[in-house]
Amino acid sequence: DTGVSQNPRHKITKRGQNVTFRCDPISEHNRLYWYRQTLGQGPEFLTYFQNEAQLEKSRLLSDRFSAERPKGSFSTLEIQRTEQGDSAMYLCASSPSPGTGDSPLHFGNGTRLTVT
Amino acid sequence: QQQVKQSPQSLIVQKGGISIINCAYENTAFDYFPWYQQFPGKGPALLIAIRPDVSEKKEGRFTISFNKSAKQFSLHIMDSQPGDSATYFCAASMGTGRRALTFGSGTRLQVQP
Repeated sequence: DTGVSQNPRHKITKRGQNVTFRCDPISEHNRLYWYRQTLGQGPEFLTYFQNEAQLEKSRLLSDRFSAERPKGSFSTLEIQRTEQGDSAMYLCASSPSPGTGDSPLHFGNGTRLTVT
Repeated sequence: QQQVKQSPQSLIVQKGGISIINCAYENTAFDYFPWYQQFPGKGPALLIAIRPDVSEKKEGRFTISFNKSAKQFSLHIMDSQPGDSATYFCAASMGTGRRALTFGSGTRLQVQP
């Protein structure tokens, strides 16, 4: 399978704990995005990377959230001191660089986080 | 100004019928309008996309109609099938330098056999 891979698929944690999610993008894609999706809503943009550089962060990304993409390959999203409001599906997407047509986003199947 | 408004929230269509989902946007800087399809437990998948220099784009049973002056666009699914039952999201983004999509709130489509 050469699609976007996310791990774990599900994560249940207690309030106050730290969690980390991993995303492996499509290998030739330079751009990587993180979105959050709550039940019955559309995905909300969190942040994106061009190779290893984090180029934009949404105001939704509080200081408890941090994302990295070392060496421009896989990415991790860490949430510190989780709160019940962090419960959501966290989606990763990747795309080719601009200049290659419409550069559509390819989404993974997400990590569902439940904070108890 | 970044919001994309989508309607209806849910839609029930008989097999063979036409499903129509509508979206409206405010930001005239948006220049790319994709539709995504999402099945339960899966990530969204690109269905079809349009740029504002054309008024309509058709791919198989799926058609996007775009009205630049009204800042509206819609998805038409012809000959709807039970396998089309999913949640559909419209989205918009601006510029070629970034591709952070702003999504609508989604339409849950049920196609009854």
